[in-house]
Amino acid sequence: AQSVTQLDSQVPVFEEAPVELRCNYSSSVSVYLFWYVQYPNQGLQLLLKYLSGSTLVKGINGFEAEFNKSQTSFHLRKPSVHISDTAEYFCAVSDRLRDTGFQKLVFGTGTRLLVSP
Amino acid sequence: ETGVTQTPRHLVMGMTNKKSLKCEQHLGHNAMYWYKQSAKKPLELMFVYNFKEQTENNSVPSRFSPECPNSSHLFLHLHTLQPEDSALYLCASSQDLADYNEQFFGPGTRLTVL
Repeated sequence: AQSVTQLDSQVPVFEEAPVELRCNYSSSVSVYLFWYVQYPNQGLQLLLKYLSGSTLVKGINGFEAEFNKSQTSFHLRKPSVHISDTAEYFCAVSDRLRDTGFQKLVFGTGTRLLVSP
Repeated sequence: ETGVTQTPRHLVMGMTNKKSLKCEQHLGHNAMYWYKQSAKKPLELMFVYNFKEQTENNSVPSRFSPECPNSSHLFLHLHTLQPEDSALYLCASSQDLADYNEQFFGPGTRLTVL
């Protein structure tokens, strides 16, 4: 079964600085990878996803992520953050349900991005 | 209404109460999910429904009882809960259970069990 590791529980950064949120997954077999963002008092919203093709994936709000198969990583980056980017970010990998073989998402524990002026 | 909606947004209940959480998706999807989100823990998948049929029960205690009357609605019936069941309960939907599909999440119900 797949697992996801987000080593940083919290990342403080100043406004307009670049940021990288790290994500590693457990298996090197073909995977589908996702980044979700959760703003306070809201549900999760998809930022971007990697299914195949180019290893650099661009998402909404200026975020991008790079799929690195050899390092089993899918780190999220933004060149210049805004106060409004303050939120919880979740990395997820697609895995198969035990009995049916259908898809389920396995989430990391999340990284809280704190952007200050 | 658009996307995935959940009601109520907040719920406080005693350990002997019975209550229900409601989820509705307006996306024409066929798969729906219940997740539990507790502080400092990864999201826990609880139940999965595909075309109204339950395809996964992730070892969830019987005090949680899901119901999916049609592809647009999903309920979570709660009874005799414990304080450790306090959490944010998220509903999600996807087109189907293919592994490349993204899931769309509702805003969640914040549950507090006294």
